[in-house]
Amino acid sequence: SQTIHQWPATLVQPVGSPLSLECTVEGTSNPNLYWYRQAAGRGLQLLFYSVGIGQISSEVPQNLSASRPQDRQFILSSKKLLLSDSGFYLCAWSGTRLAEQYFGPGTRLTVT
Amino acid sequence: RKEVEQDPGPFNVPEGATVAFNCTYSNSASQSFFWYRQDCRKEPKLLMSVYSSGNEDGRFTAQLNRASQYISLLIRDSKLSDSATYLCVVNEGYSGAGSYQLTFGKGTKLSVIP
Repeated sequence: SQTIHQWPATLVQPVGSPLSLECTVEGTSNPNLYWYRQAAGRGLQLLFYSVGIGQISSEVPQNLSASRPQDRQFILSSKKLLLSDSGFYLCAWSGTRLAEQYFGPGTRLTVT
Repeated sequence: RKEVEQDPGPFNVPEGATVAFNCTYSNSASQSFFWYRQDCRKEPKLLMSVYSSGNEDGRFTAQLNRASQYISLLIRDSKLSDSATYLCVVNEGYSGAGSYQLTFGKGTKLSVIP
Protein backbone atom coordinates (compact mmCIF):
# COMPACT_ATOMS: atom_id res chain seq x y z
CA SER A 1 0.00 0.00 0.00
CA GLN A 2 1.02 3.60 -0.48
CA THR A 3 2.30 5.78 2.35
CA ILE A 4 3.36 9.41 2.43
CA HIS A 5 5.78 10.91 4.92
CA GLN A 6 6.52 14.49 5.85
CA TRP A 7 9.10 15.97 8.16
CA PRO A 8 9.54 17.71 10.40
CA ALA A 9 6.16 17.52 12.10
CA THR A 10 6.52 20.92 13.74
CA LEU A 11 8.93 23.77 13.18
CA VAL A 12 9.48 27.17 14.77
CA GLN A 13 11.65 29.49 12.72
CA PRO A 14 12.59 33.18 13.00
CA VAL A 15 11.68 35.67 10.29
CA GLY A 16 14.33 35.76 7.59
CA SER A 17 15.57 32.23 8.16
CA PRO A 18 15.57 29.56 5.42
CA LEU A 19 13.12 26.68 5.18
CA SER A 20 13.25 23.15 3.85
CA LEU A 21 10.33 20.75 4.19
CA GLU A 22 10.51 17.25 2.78
CA CYS A 23 7.88 14.84 1.54
CA THR A 24 8.38 11.26 0.34
CA VAL A 25 5.94 8.72 -1.02
CA GLU A 26 6.28 4.94 -0.88
CA GLY A 27 4.46 2.21 -2.72
CA THR A 28 3.74 3.97 -6.01
CA SER A 29 5.62 5.10 -9.08
CA ASN A 30 5.44 8.40 -10.94
CA PRO A 31 2.87 10.00 -8.64
CA ASN A 32 1.62 13.53 -9.03
CA LEU A 33 2.78 15.50 -5.98
CA TYR A 34 1.32 18.61 -4.38
CA TRP A 35 2.18 21.17 -1.70
CA TYR A 36 -0.71 22.91 0.08
CA ARG A 37 -0.84 25.45 2.88
CA GLN A 38 -3.70 25.69 5.36
CA ALA A 39 -3.75 28.90 7.38
CA ALA A 40 -5.82 29.13 10.55
CA GLY A 41 -9.52 29.35 9.71
CA ARG A 42 -8.91 29.13 5.99
CA GLY A 43 -9.20 26.51 3.30
CA LEU A 44 -6.39 24.60 1.67
CA GLN A 45 -4.37 26.68 -0.78
CA LEU A 46 -2.46 24.86 -3.52
CA LEU A 47 1.10 26.14 -3.68
CA PHE A 48 2.90 23.83 -6.13
CA TYR A 49 2.33 20.62 -7.99
CA SER A 50 4.57 18.30 -9.96
CA VAL A 51 3.81 15.63 -12.55
CA GLY A 52 7.39 14.37 -12.82
CA ILE A 53 11.03 14.78 -11.81
CA GLY A 54 12.13 18.38 -12.26
CA GLN A 55 8.64 19.50 -13.36
CA ILE A 56 7.15 22.10 -11.03
CA SER A 57 4.04 24.23 -11.53
CA SER A 58 3.45 27.19 -9.23
CA GLU A 59 -0.05 28.30 -8.35
CA VAL A 60 0.61 31.48 -6.38
CA PRO A 61 3.47 34.01 -6.43
CA GLN A 62 5.35 34.03 -3.15
CA ASN A 63 8.75 33.59 -1.56
CA LEU A 64 8.47 29.79 -1.59
CA SER A 65 9.87 27.36 -4.13
CA ALA A 66 9.55 23.63 -4.72
CA SER A 67 11.77 20.96 -6.21
CA ARG A 68 11.38 17.31 -7.15
CA PRO A 69 14.85 15.78 -7.29
CA GLN A 70 13.58 12.17 -7.32
CA ASP A 71 10.38 10.48 -8.47
CA ARG A 72 8.92 10.15 -4.98
CA GLN A 73 10.50 13.13 -3.23
CA PHE A 74 9.08 16.64 -3.10
CA ILE A 75 10.75 19.53 -1.28
CA LEU A 76 9.37 22.93 -0.28
CA SER A 77 11.90 25.67 0.37
CA SER A 78 12.30 29.31 1.17
CA LYS A 79 15.40 31.49 1.36
CA LYS A 80 13.86 33.97 3.82
CA LEU A 81 10.70 33.26 5.79
CA LEU A 82 8.01 35.88 6.40
CA LEU A 83 5.55 35.98 9.29
CA SER A 84 2.79 35.28 6.78
CA ASP A 85 4.41 31.93 5.91
CA SER A 86 3.13 30.45 9.18
CA GLY A 87 0.63 27.67 8.65
CA PHE A 88 0.03 23.97 8.25
CA TYR A 89 1.90 22.62 5.20
CA LEU A 90 0.50 19.51 3.62
CA CYS A 91 2.01 17.33 0.94
CA ALA A 92 -0.29 15.13 -1.12
CA TRP A 93 0.02 12.58 -3.88
CA SER A 94 -2.32 11.30 -6.55
CA GLY A 95 -2.21 8.80 -9.34
CA THR A 96 -2.13 10.02 -12.90
CA ARG A 97 -5.57 8.72 -13.88
CA LEU A 98 -7.79 9.61 -10.92
CA ALA A 99 -8.29 12.92 -9.16
CA GLU A 100 -8.29 11.68 -5.55
CA GLN A 101 -5.43 13.08 -3.51
CA TYR A 102 -3.96 11.56 -0.36
CA PHE A 103 -2.29 13.71 2.24
CA GLY A 104 0.74 13.33 4.43
CA PRO A 105 0.62 14.14 8.16
CA GLY A 106 1.69 17.75 7.58
CA THR A 107 4.24 20.17 9.02
CA ARG A 108 3.05 22.89 11.37
CA LEU A 109 5.28 25.94 10.79
CA THR A 110 5.37 28.94 13.09
CA VAL A 111 7.42 31.92 11.99
CA THR A 112 8.33 34.20 14.90
CA ARG B 1 -12.84 32.50 -9.79
CA LYS B 2 -13.87 28.96 -8.84
CA GLU B 3 -15.49 28.75 -5.41
CA VAL B 4 -16.72 26.04 -3.10
CA GLU B 5 -18.98 27.24 -0.31
CA GLN B 6 -19.82 25.39 2.89
CA ASP B 7 -21.67 26.34 6.06
CA PRO B 8 -18.83 26.55 8.60
CA GLY B 9 -21.04 25.36 11.47
CA PRO B 10 -20.46 24.18 14.06
CA PHE B 11 -23.17 21.57 13.90
CA ASN B 12 -23.72 20.21 17.42
CA VAL B 13 -25.79 17.03 17.30
CA PRO B 14 -26.55 14.27 19.83
CA GLU B 15 -25.32 10.74 19.34
CA GLY B 16 -27.59 8.78 17.05
CA ALA B 17 -28.87 11.82 15.18
CA THR B 18 -28.88 12.28 11.42
CA VAL B 19 -27.04 15.33 10.12
CA ALA B 20 -26.66 16.74 6.62
CA PHE B 21 -24.13 19.17 5.20
CA ASN B 22 -24.54 21.06 1.95
CA CYS B 23 -21.88 22.42 -0.35
CA THR B 24 -22.32 24.64 -3.41
CA TYR B 25 -19.84 25.10 -6.22
CA SER B 26 -19.50 27.74 -8.91
CA ASN B 27 -17.91 25.86 -11.80
CA SER B 28 -20.62 24.10 -13.79
CA ALA B 29 -17.96 22.12 -15.67
CA SER B 30 -16.74 20.39 -12.50
CA GLN B 31 -16.29 16.71 -13.14
CA SER B 32 -16.23 14.92 -9.82
CA PHE B 33 -16.54 15.65 -6.15
CA PHE B 34 -15.13 14.43 -2.87
CA TRP B 35 -15.76 14.65 0.82
CA TYR B 36 -12.73 14.65 3.12
CA ARG B 37 -12.70 14.42 6.89
CA GLN B 38 -10.15 16.46 8.86
CA ASP B 39 -9.60 15.91 12.57
CA CYS B 40 -8.22 18.78 14.65
CA ARG B 41 -4.59 19.52 13.72
CA LYS B 42 -4.45 16.49 11.40
CA GLU B 43 -4.35 15.97 7.67
CA PRO B 44 -7.52 15.63 5.57
CA LYS B 45 -8.51 12.05 4.82
CA LEU B 46 -10.65 10.98 1.89
CA LEU B 47 -14.10 9.92 3.03
CA MET B 48 -16.03 9.52 -0.20
CA SER B 49 -15.81 10.12 -3.94
CA VAL B 50 -18.81 11.15 -6.05
CA TYR B 51 -18.58 10.60 -9.81
CA SER B 52 -22.24 10.34 -10.74
CA SER B 53 -25.40 11.25 -8.87
CA GLY B 54 -24.29 9.96 -5.51
CA ASN B 55 -22.53 7.40 -3.39
CA GLU B 56 -23.26 5.49 -0.22
CA ASP B 57 -20.87 3.88 2.25
CA GLY B 58 -22.41 2.54 5.43
CA ARG B 59 -23.81 5.44 7.44
CA PHE B 60 -22.57 8.02 4.94
CA THR B 61 -24.45 9.10 1.82
CA ALA B 62 -23.35 11.75 -0.66
CA GLN B 63 -25.73 13.18 -3.24
CA LEU B 64 -24.97 15.38 -6.19
CA ASN B 65 -27.35 17.82 -7.87
CA ARG B 66 -25.60 19.09 -11.00
CA ALA B 67 -28.50 21.33 -12.06
CA SER B 68 -28.37 23.27 -8.81
CA GLN B 69 -24.61 22.80 -8.37
CA TYR B 70 -24.61 21.41 -4.88
CA ILE B 71 -23.41 18.29 -3.12
CA SER B 72 -24.66 17.02 0.20
CA LEU B 73 -23.27 14.64 2.79
CA LEU B 74 -25.67 12.80 5.06
CA ILE B 75 -24.46 11.04 8.20
CA ARG B 76 -26.90 8.67 9.87
CA ASP B 77 -26.70 7.36 13.45
CA SER B 78 -23.94 9.83 14.39
CA LYS B 79 -21.11 8.53 16.56
CA LEU B 80 -18.85 10.49 18.88
CA SER B 81 -16.00 9.51 16.56
CA ASP B 82 -17.67 11.38 13.68
CA SER B 83 -16.72 14.69 15.33
CA ALA B 84 -14.44 16.41 12.82
CA THR B 85 -14.41 19.02 10.07
CA TYR B 86 -15.81 17.84 6.74
CA LEU B 87 -14.30 19.34 3.61
CA CYS B 88 -16.17 19.53 0.32
CA VAL B 89 -13.80 19.23 -2.63
CA VAL B 90 -14.50 19.83 -6.31
CA ASN B 91 -12.49 18.46 -9.22
CA GLU B 92 -12.27 21.34 -11.67
CA GLY B 93 -10.86 19.17 -14.43
CA TYR B 94 -7.60 18.20 -16.04
CA SER B 95 -5.08 21.01 -16.20
CA GLY B 96 -2.85 21.58 -19.20
CA ALA B 97 0.15 20.60 -17.08
CA GLY B 98 -0.98 17.02 -16.49
CA SER B 99 -2.89 16.83 -13.22
CA TYR B 100 -6.39 17.36 -11.92
CA GLN B 101 -7.10 20.61 -10.11
CA LEU B 102 -9.05 20.38 -6.86
CA THR B 103 -10.77 23.27 -5.10
CA PHE B 104 -11.34 22.82 -1.37
CA GLY B 105 -14.13 24.29 0.71
CA LYS B 106 -13.24 25.68 4.12
CA GLY B 107 -15.09 22.89 5.85
CA THR B 108 -18.06 22.29 8.13
CA LYS B 109 -17.32 21.47 11.76
CA LEU B 110 -19.35 18.68 13.36
CA SER B 111 -19.48 17.97 17.07
CA VAL B 112 -21.37 14.87 18.18
CA ILE B 113 -22.44 15.20 21.79
CA PRO B 114 -22.98 12.28 24.21
